[in-house]
Amino acid sequence: DAKTTQPPSMDCAEGRAANLPCNHSTISGNEYVYWYRQIHSQGPQYIIHGLKNNETNEMASLIITEDRKSSTLILPHATLRDTAVYYCIVRAFDSWGKLQFGAGTQVVVTP
Amino acid sequence: DAGVIQSPRHEVTEMGQEVTLRCKPISGHNSLFWYRQTMMRGLELLIYFNNNVPIDDSGMPEDRFSAKMPNASFSTLKIQPSEPRDSAVYFCASSAYPEGGLRDEQFFGPGTRLTVL
Repeated sequence: DAKTTQPPSMDCAEGRAANLPCNHSTISGNEYVYWYRQIHSQGPQYIIHGLKNNETNEMASLIITEDRKSSTLILPHATLRDTAVYYCIVRAFDSWGKLQFGAGTQVVVTP
Repeated sequence: DAGVIQSPRHEVTEMGQEVTLRCKPISGHNSLFWYRQTMMRGLELLIYFNNNVPIDDSGMPEDRFSAKMPNASFSTLKIQPSEPRDSAVYFCASSAYPEGGLRDEQFFGPGTRLTVL
């Protein structure tokens, strides 16, 4: 699977949008971009995934560049409960659901 | 649905003892994953099953580790004998793969915190 690069940490003010970048320059044509997050002491939680089109759900939006070499996860109105480690993962859809977690980005939402 | 259930939530044992971690996946899910998380190595995939069959156990660190899935609603991860370096949080996750759901997401349990003294 292609590897991803994320900033180790970022801060965000409560109520503002949080934009989390991820680089995946070696992504292949059959690989999707997945985002998970892990709130302290809990198991990871799925957020969103996409192939090449922008995606939006009740939790977040995912913007993938046209060349698919990078993406941005957007939390539109960050709350204190969004404080977590966010993982960007790239995997092929036929890889039996196998996820390889990197170090992720520690996001701290401040009042 | 109660989600993925793991037991025990905390386990403290002494080096050399056998440890068994248990997982009940979400009903209807056909894939099950075991992960281990430590500060040093992060979140690592140990083994995963599809339709109760182990697909890939290349992440299992040593022969001391073994996992079974005797039926669709139960899986165990056993460490024998346990060592202090096995101390970690062990997560179980399940998903409805490949034919289930548009989102293809993995649902994680709350984890078992293992401490080997």
